[in-house]
Amino acid sequence: EAQVTQNPRYLITVTGKKLTVTCSQNMNHEYMSWYRQDPGLGLRQIYYSMNVEVTDKGDVPEGYKVSRKEKRNFPLILESPSPNQTSLYFCASSLWDVYSGNTIYFGEGSWLTVV
Amino acid sequence: SQQGEEDPQALSIQEGENATMNCSYKTSINNLQWYRQNSGRGLVHLILIRSNEREKHSGRLRVTLDTSKKSSSLLITASRAADTASYFCATAGFMNTGFQKLVFGTGTRLLVSP
Repeated sequence: EAQVTQNPRYLITVTGKKLTVTCSQNMNHEYMSWYRQDPGLGLRQIYYSMNVEVTDKGDVPEGYKVSRKEKRNFPLILESPSPNQTSLYFCASSLWDVYSGNTIYFGEGSWLTVV
Repeated sequence: SQQGEEDPQALSIQEGENATMNCSYKTSINNLQWYRQNSGRGLVHLILIRSNEREKHSGRLRVTLDTSKKSSSLLITASRAADTASYFCATAGFMNTGFQKLVFGTGTRLLVSP
């Protein structure tokens, strides 16, 4: 079954404590990305990756890091979380580029609260 | 950015009625996609329409695209309570880096009452 799996699904953490949200896909997709979803703002892209070792910033990259050492994994790292990073986070992947019309598959989301 | 904007923000209808949601965007696109999101869950792809298409159907879904007006509409016919969800349009275009990007609107919350 085609899946994008992200963990943890729910996390409450404290300001400044580094955390990593993992993301893994089993579809051999080249393209992966991270979004955050906030009320009234829709989904905003944080980072994306076109392939292994190829990553770039999205619309709201500040305070986040990513890496793509393997094709299937694309972890999101918050080095020093702050309360304004409290949000619902989604990992997504697709076969190639969205411009060509490939469907994007989303994970179930990770609810992150920073206190 | 070329964020899509959905209209209305919220829509409440009875089962059996049709639901129409609209999306407007700002720049030229290659394709426009509609996604559905059940409360607090991941987004699920519904339908894609390319810039050279004007209308597309999938089951009870009908999507139209007017590139001259930079707008699209999603029609759900004979709605069911299970259609209750948020619906997002997303447009695909190029960034100045040459890489592609899918930009989402803020969504329409649809409530279908039995």
